[in-house]
Amino acid sequence: EDQVTQSPEALRLQEGESSSLNCSYTVSGLRGLFWYRQDPGKGPEFLFTLYSAGEEKEKERLKATITKKESFLHITAPKPEDSATYLCAVQGASSSGYALNFGKGTSLLVTP
Amino acid sequence: NAGVTQTPKFRVLKTGQSMTLLCAQDMNHEYMYWYRQDPGMGLRLIHYSVGEGTTAKGEVPDGYNVSRLKKQNFLLGLESAAPSQTSVYFCASNLQGITEAFFGQGTRLTVV
Repeated sequence: EDQVTQSPEALRLQEGESSSLNCSYTVSGLRGLFWYRQDPGKGPEFLFTLYSAGEEKEKERLKATITKKESFLHITAPKPEDSATYLCAVQGASSSGYALNFGKGTSLLVTP
Repeated sequence: NAGVTQTPKFRVLKTGQSMTLLCAQDMNHEYMYWYRQDPGMGLRLIHYSVGEGTTAKGEVPDGYNVSRLKKQNFLLGLESAAPSQTSVYFCASNLQGITEAFFGQGTRLTVV
């Protein structure tokens, strides 16, 4: 059974204080690992897809990396508008119709 | 281009009442999904569809039914609502294969 564990559950950063969010996963035949951002009262918003170990994707202050067991979302010099819950999800060979299996998320708060 | 639209956005039901949640997508996506999101549980798959006229059970299907009569619409029904079905429900869709899923804004359902 596919499993996704995210850590920490919550993270508080000062503006400009860089950090990383962790996503540990076990999956039978990884098809893709996805990062989403979710703001309060909203649906998840797609950020990145990673397909294989060693791959990296970047968007503004965010950079996602992946190994065979973990993925990291690096946040460089965060701003208050980066505050949100970040969700990691995997799609494996046994996924139901290409559905995503989500972790519980990391709630990020960036203070001025 | 509206993406994925869910109606209603909020609803309060009494135990035993029935209701239908509607999901509509205008991206011509083949795959559609219903998830529920509960505090501390993450997003869990209820039912999914791999195309018009098809439906299948996900991780937590009990107490729910679905229908996909038209490619653009995916309906989630609660025949006899229970307090345990109090949750935020998200609909999502993706084109096919290993592509990102697009989410609606969610329906917050409270069963009293």
